[in-house]
Amino acid sequence: QVHLVQSGAEVKKPGASVKVSCKASGYTFSSHAIHWLRQAPGQRLEWMGWIDTGNGNRRYTQKFQDRVSFTRDTSATTVYIELSSLRFEDTAVYYCARDLQSTPTVLGDYWGQGTRVTVSS
Amino acid sequence: SLELTQPPSVSVPPGQTAFITCSGDRLETTYVSWYQQQPGQSPLLVIYQNNKRPSGIPERFSGSKSGNTATLTISGTQALDEADYYCQAWDRINVVFGGGTKLTVL
Repeated sequence: QVHLVQSGAEVKKPGASVKVSCKASGYTFSSHAIHWLRQAPGQRLEWMGWIDTGNGNRRYTQKFQDRVSFTRDTSATTVYIELSSLRFEDTAVYYCARDLQSTPTVLGDYWGQGTRVTVSS
Repeated sequence: SLELTQPPSVSVPPGQTAFITCSGDRLETTYVSWYQQQPGQSPLLVIYQNNKRPSGIPERFSGSKSGNTATLTISGTQALDEADYYCQAWDRINVVFGGGTKLTVL
């Protein structure tokens, strides 16, 4: 069955970068886009963008486009998010979520378990 | 840009029907999805494209939309349905979420 397994919790200092992985299994990797989202404590879900796992096309929401990067390793069926210049307000749980299709249509039929990123001095 | 507004909380007795609304300008021109999130867990898609139910989601979950308001209906609400519920829509090329509604079953 479908699984999205994310890497473990991270603690980073302000100004540092963090890279979180999301390993997909149980389906054809290139047939479904992957979205990245985050949720700060007690806050609503916040969408960060998506990556086409087939051709690598990606879109970042304007808020993050200067310091976020999505990449994929098709041989490892893994998608990565890297967020740089971390700020205290980047403390959140980061989620990967699968889209129903290869290009974004309906996000979130399957989700990773979340990765807690804490930015602390 | 599109903003989605949900009531912060809804309470319903067990076995009754819960209605959770989501409103936003231009919502009538886009599809709405709904997610359930239990404390400490990842969200779960319960409704997509306004009224479609993913496999494995109980029939008591249904969705509808009229004009600029979408509604998630939970019939015969059970204690295990107590959770936060988020609506979501596409605003052109961006994804937008509502602020979430805490459903209490009491």
